[in-house]
Amino acid sequence: NAGVTQTPKFRVLKTGQSMTLLCAQDMNHEYMYWYRQDPGMGLRLIHYSVGEGTTAKGEVPDGYNVSRLKKQNFLLGLESAAPSQTSVYFCASSAVSWYYEQYFGPGTRLTVT
Amino acid sequence: SQQGEEDPQALSIQEGENATMNCSYKTSINNLQWYRQNSGRGLVHLILIRSNEREKHSGRLRVTLDTSKKSSSLLITASRAADTASYFCATVFDNYGQNFVFGPGTRLSVLP
Repeated sequence: NAGVTQTPKFRVLKTGQSMTLLCAQDMNHEYMYWYRQDPGMGLRLIHYSVGEGTTAKGEVPDGYNVSRLKKQNFLLGLESAAPSQTSVYFCASSAVSWYYEQYFGPGTRLTVT
Repeated sequence: SQQGEEDPQALSIQEGENATMNCSYKTSINNLQWYRQNSGRGLVHLILIRSNEREKHSGRLRVTLDTSKKSSSLLITASRAADTASYFCATVFDNYGQNFVFGPGTRLSVLP
């Protein structure tokens, strides 16, 4: 099993450009999450999904959109990138609910110039 | 904020020594989890302790939970250079909506 995979691994955007980050998991997990991690900080939740076709806002959702059209995929979109969105983005999934361990992808390092 | 807070922010020890890091939180939890992050990598789950448990072990890891003090500790015994990483606690609450919050982490350096 590949677990949780993320594409791309690195990306550089100019201010105002858009892009989509793809997260895929092969563990048949219901819950999926997008986090951002900034230097010296823990992870902050951007959006999450509790099942196919559902999405919900986390702690820092502004400037991001998500979609979960298929159970195994969770997409994170940046509509108009800003330098404040320079960060490392992690996707994670968990089997049933918040109460269980999360499995993380390797991360996407995004730089917005 | 309901966020868990790790202490210390950074810890440097010699190989073979024990490392202890702490996590404090503010409201009642369902469970508390510890994760490790090696530099440039994703987080890896280490151990989960439920609110009705006081201690759990996994290999060289020992986690304790004191719900009266709203705190947890992670002990790594006989540390190795490969234990060098950042360690995060995540607190899970019984709320609707987002109820899983990470602390800012403890950076552990194990010197050979």
